[in-house]
Amino acid sequence: GQQVMQIPQYQHVQEGEDFTTYCNSSTTLSNIQWYKQRPGGHPVFLIQLVKSGEVKKQKRLTFQFGEAKKNSSLHITATQTTDVGTYFCAAHTGGFKTIFGAGTRLFVKA
Amino acid sequence: DGGITQSPKYLFRKEGQNVTLSCEQNLNHDAMYWYRQDPGQGLRLIYYSQIVNDFQKGDIAEGYSVSREKKESFPLTVTSAQKNPTAFYLCASWDSGTGYSEQFFGPGTRLTVL
Repeated sequence: GQQVMQIPQYQHVQEGEDFTTYCNSSTTLSNIQWYKQRPGGHPVFLIQLVKSGEVKKQKRLTFQFGEAKKNSSLHITATQTTDVGTYFCAAHTGGFKTIFGAGTRLFVKA
Repeated sequence: DGGITQSPKYLFRKEGQNVTLSCEQNLNHDAMYWYRQDPGQGLRLIYYSQIVNDFQKGDIAEGYSVSREKKESFPLTVTSAQKNPTAFYLCASWDSGTGYSEQFFGPGTRLTVL
């Protein structure tokens, strides 16, 4: 079945360093979403990308959707301790199912 | 406040017992989902429902059952047939009419089977 691969699995950074997580699919995606899950919490929607080559920014977060709509990335500039958590990409299959990547867990050292 | 509620937050059961996890939403969403999350892992789909009185198996449905008698409610039963039921269970809903794919998640239930 359709899968969405996400790397890296973990990332340790010093506060102030940048962070990037990548999401890849073997098939073309109609859209991609990003979620953040704080430790002990539940996933919270961050953004949806739909168009080929789309780039969206939310303060220090930059989201990109690849030209071929098979990959996406989330980049955080100058991480803060509040960025700690797990970041998931997710792809809607066109029906009612959403496929989630395995997530990238971000650790930020103050 | 609109949202999804799950109860209880923590649940302990003895091995061999069935247990039902509650999920209620007042967002008027048609679609509802159950996911399982194991420590350090992603979300795996157990069951989903597109509409009242209809539901489909997800990727790991064995040992679980659901019902969807009301639009607002989508309870999940973890049966004794589930071999490793200890996990974090998340319920979610989606408004299929918007064309927007955001899923709204409840706070989750942490089930521990002793």
